[in-house]
Amino acid sequence: NAGVTQTPKFRILKIGQSMTLQCTQDMNHNYMYWYRQDPGMGLKLIYYSVGAGITDKGEVPNGYNVSRSTTEDFPLRLELAAPSQTSVYFCASSSTRDSYGYTFGSGTRLTVV
Amino acid sequence: QKEVEQNSGPLSVPEGAIASLNCTYSDRGSQSFFWYRQYSGKSPELIMSIYSNGDKEDGRFTAQLNKASQYVSLLIRDSQPSDSATYLCAGGQGNFNKFYFGSGTKLNVKP
Repeated sequence: NAGVTQTPKFRILKIGQSMTLQCTQDMNHNYMYWYRQDPGMGLKLIYYSVGAGITDKGEVPNGYNVSRSTTEDFPLRLELAAPSQTSVYFCASSSTRDSYGYTFGSGTRLTVV
Repeated sequence: QKEVEQNSGPLSVPEGAIASLNCTYSDRGSQSFFWYRQYSGKSPELIMSIYSNGDKEDGRFTAQLNKASQYVSLLIRDSQPSDSATYLCAGGQGNFNKFYFGSGTKLNVKP
């Protein structure tokens, strides 16, 4: 049982480049999330999804896009990368049971230079 | 702005002592609270959840919630060096299970 799988683990981007962070879960969770974590800071919600075809913005959505075509996959797209997007990105999923905690992926460490 | 506040630490305790980690939140409508442990360079791992006022115990961990004071705490009894990590507090109303995270408290347990 793999849980939540994120790829890649590390990536260096040049300013203006684009990339997609992949996230897949095998727990049949309807709820999925993308968070970013800056050094010494808490996790900030970028986007979330409550099911296939349904996504919504979180606290810090600017510069990012998401899609959810299947229950398992929730990719995060960065367009026109900026240094401010240097961060660690975590994908998480959750059961639809009331107030259930998250299962996190292992994270993607992104540097924009 | 809905916020969850934590002292960044570091909190240093000797091995075998009780570590007490605290968290306050601003949204009075928050119903659900969680403690996650995050080792350096790793992802957060859920260790405790609490939804009702009072204490909830799980092994060496006790979570405490006081909604009137908007205060959540985590006690770690018989602290071990392996407990050294950053502890993240999270809370929220639970709409679509969206939660706000504190910045974390770094705990050092000294042998």
